[in-house]
Amino acid sequence: KNEVEQSPQNLTAQEGEFITINCSYSVGISALHWLQQHPGGGIVSLFMLSSGKKKHGRLIATINIQEKHSSLHITASHPRDSAVYICAVHSGGGADGLTFGKGTHLIIQP
Amino acid sequence: DSGVTQTPKHLITATGQRVTLRCSPRSGDLSVYWYQQSLDQGLQFLIQYYNGEERAKGNILERFSAQQFPDLHSELNLSSLELGDSALYFCASTLAGAVDTQYFGPGTRLTVL
Repeated sequence: KNEVEQSPQNLTAQEGEFITINCSYSVGISALHWLQQHPGGGIVSLFMLSSGKKKHGRLIATINIQEKHSSLHITASHPRDSAVYICAVHSGGGADGLTFGKGTHLIIQP
Repeated sequence: DSGVTQTPKHLITATGQRVTLRCSPRSGDLSVYWYQQSLDQGLQFLIQYYNGEERAKGNILERFSAQQFPDLHSELNLSSLELGDSALYFCASTLAGAVDTQYFGPGTRLTVL
């Protein structure tokens, strides 16, 4: 079974700070997803990665397949970035669903 | 708006009862996933359907079942409900498989009293 570990569990930062959230997984994967869940509960897919790096606006996601590690960065953080960020992996085995990390609860203070 | 719809938004019921949650995927998406999010377990994969057929099973209890209909909407049936089944239930759709972006519905919050 693929275990997904995220760090930190909780993060409070000031507006404008550079944010990094880390995700490590234990076995080979075919894709890694970064998801955002707002206080209202809805989940939005931010990125899907199988290699390298992706950028969308102020968000950057990287993955190192050899080290089984991914990072999500937020530049120039803003209070509206406050949410839970969840890393999830697809192992590509018989079960075709995602395995989720426990999430990082991010608060950006003005 | 992801294009995925779920009904109902909220459901309150009693132990021992049976409920049905409904999900309509994005137009053109063939694959539907069901996930459960509880406070103690976090998000867990329950089951996946692709074009009407069951494709993969995760941590789905025997009391739970699902199906995908010819119009590609899916229903998750939960029976003999227990207090511990109280959770948010999400469905997500993708074009084909999990190695595609997953589009999540708004979720159904189930409360079992």
